[in-house]
Amino acid sequence: SAVISQKPSRDICQRGTSLTIQCQVDSQVTMMFWYRQQPGQSLTLIATANQGSEATYESGFVIDKFPISRPNLTFSTLTVSNLSPEDSSIYLCSVESNGSEQYFGPGTRLTVT
Amino acid sequence: AQSVSQHNHHVILSEAASLELGCNYSYGGTVNLFWYVQYPGQHLQLLLKYFSGDPLVKGIKGFEAEFIKSKFSFNLRKPSVQWSDTAEYFCAVTSSGGSYIPTFGRGTSLIVHP
Repeated sequence: SAVISQKPSRDICQRGTSLTIQCQVDSQVTMMFWYRQQPGQSLTLIATANQGSEATYESGFVIDKFPISRPNLTFSTLTVSNLSPEDSSIYLCSVESNGSEQYFGPGTRLTVT
Repeated sequence: AQSVSQHNHHVILSEAASLELGCNYSYGGTVNLFWYVQYPGQHLQLLLKYFSGDPLVKGIKGFEAEFIKSKFSFNLRKPSVQWSDTAEYFCAVTSSGGSYIPTFGRGTSLIVHP
């Protein structure tokens, strides 16, 4: 299993600013994942972050809007840039273990005003 | 590409009622199937999973799910719900031997009245 923490747990940001979310895992993992969870909708994968290489983004998500860092095997950050109200959502970090079982962080609730 | 459908978006039950949440997936190959649960204010966590073998899978807290390959279904059941089962439930699928990144359904909100 893996224990994942995220910071901040929630934030209220103004339009046009950026928010950086941190994700810390208690063990070394190869891949970390960033999801968006919008109210009443499914979890949507934003990108996969490998240590030492650029993140792989899913369709509809681009690096300029969602830059990701992965400096080591236990840590990653996701930045949501140039915020708009449509970015209001919960952002989740996760890791994979035990043959595709996912462990999730507590999430970061972002509200953009 | 695979997809997951959860037909019940909101379910309201009284305690001791039986529960069945529907989950259907579309994918032509062999799959791994999951149910995740998110209790209010808590992390999303695994409830149960199916990789192979007995298609009736038992998970935590008295939940079970049955994989019916011919129906592409993996419905979640519990014979008698409790108030503490109030949560959001997500079905997910990965393709065996392929990408281990799951595709999630949109979730079912379950409210159990005491």
